[in-house]
Amino acid sequence: NAGVTQTPKFRVLKTGQSMTLLCAQDMNHEYMYWYRQDPGMGLRLIHYSVGEGTTAKGEVPDGYNVSRLKKQNFLLGLESAAPSQTSVYFCASSYVGRTGETNEKLFFGSGTQLSVL
Amino acid sequence: AQSVSQHNHHVILSEAASLELGCNYSYGGTVNLFWYVQYPGQHLQLLLKYFSGDPLVKGIKGFEAEFIKSKFSFNLRKPSVQWSDTAEYFCAVNAYGNNRLAFGKGNQVVVIP
Repeated sequence: NAGVTQTPKFRVLKTGQSMTLLCAQDMNHEYMYWYRQDPGMGLRLIHYSVGEGTTAKGEVPDGYNVSRLKKQNFLLGLESAAPSQTSVYFCASSYVGRTGETNEKLFFGSGTQLSVL
Repeated sequence: AQSVSQHNHHVILSEAASLELGCNYSYGGTVNLFWYVQYPGQHLQLLLKYFSGDPLVKGIKGFEAEFIKSKFSFNLRKPSVQWSDTAEYFCAVNAYGNNRLAFGKGNQVVVIP
């Protein structure tokens, strides 16, 4: 059982380049999230999805786009990378628990270290 | 929108010392509360959570947290830390029924053998 898998694990981009980060989960979870983690800033929500075909903006969505064409995949795109997007990106997924809450437990991927020069 | 404050971002202590990490949130309604831990080089994992019931919750590895509603706090404690507790600890909050989890800025804890 792989859980939440993120690819790639590391990437270096030049300013203006584009790329897509892939997140895949094999737990049949409805909810998926993209966070960025920066020193002293904690985790900030970029975008999230409550189901296949749906996406919504989080706390820091500017400069990013997402797609959830398949339930198991959640893609994060950077159309024109900027140095301010240098960060560690974490994908997470969750399910609707017994209490009816979606955030009973988030399952995180191992992260993608992105550097934009 | 809910927000989360964590204090003392960097904590250094010796093995067997007691640990307490503060977490305060700003939201007036019903909330769900979490502590996540990130060990060096690893992804975040759930340490413990509070939804309802006994305000003193126990998690993995001897950690516990107490929800004090009047203080909007959910402080994490461990009576005697070990070197393996070196990690970054994040408090997180979401309003009841909300899909979005808000994280604090984290506490970097270093335990010296």
